[in-house]
Amino acid sequence: EAQVTQNPRYLITVTGKKLTVTCSQNMNHEYMSWYRQDPGLGLRQIYYSMNVEVTDKGDVPEGYKVSRKEKRNFPLILESPSPNQTSLYFCASSLGLGQGGNQPQHFGDGTRLSIL
Amino acid sequence: AQSVSQHNHHVILSEAASLELGCNYSYGGTVNLFWYVQYPGQHLQLLLKYFSGDPLVKGIKGFEAEFIKSKFSFNLRKPSVQWSDTAEYFCAVIGFSGGYNKLIFGAGTRLAVHP
Repeated sequence: EAQVTQNPRYLITVTGKKLTVTCSQNMNHEYMSWYRQDPGLGLRQIYYSMNVEVTDKGDVPEGYKVSRKEKRNFPLILESPSPNQTSLYFCASSLGLGQGGNQPQHFGDGTRLSIL
Repeated sequence: AQSVSQHNHHVILSEAASLELGCNYSYGGTVNLFWYVQYPGQHLQLLLKYFSGDPLVKGIKGFEAEFIKSKFSFNLRKPSVQWSDTAEYFCAVIGFSGGYNKLIFGAGTRLAVHP
């Protein structure tokens, strides 16, 4: 079954304690992306990756890091989480979003982070 | 810069009422347009998409949307809503400008359907 899998689904932690949210897809998609969803703001892109070892900033990258060492995995890293990073996070993948790329994105189930 | 505007943040309807959710985007070039739905506690799912051709697009669960290029709009419609349509709906746009093209989401419209 085609899936985007995120872990954990829920996490409550404290300010400054490094955390990683994993994302894995089994569709051999080139493009992967992280979004945060906040009430009234919709989804805002944090980082994206066009392929292995190719990553770039989205609209709200501050306080986040990513890596893309393998095609299937795209972890989101919060080196020093702060309360303003409390949000619902979604990972997504698709075949591509480059010129002519019009494939819809497949989303994971979301990770709800609470930073105290 | 590209942007997507959804006019209604909250919509409340009774079952069998007709639905129209507004979506306007700002981008002068070629666009691909999407509507995603997020049911309570779930991830986003694709409802329908427009790439080219017939501007009236039919999606799943009886939804449709019409692309009106002159109005930069892609409104979502359903003739008769059901309680199970209670969800949040997101309009999204890709504007093609060469190289990487980013998917931009609107802020979402939360729909509540009462029995």
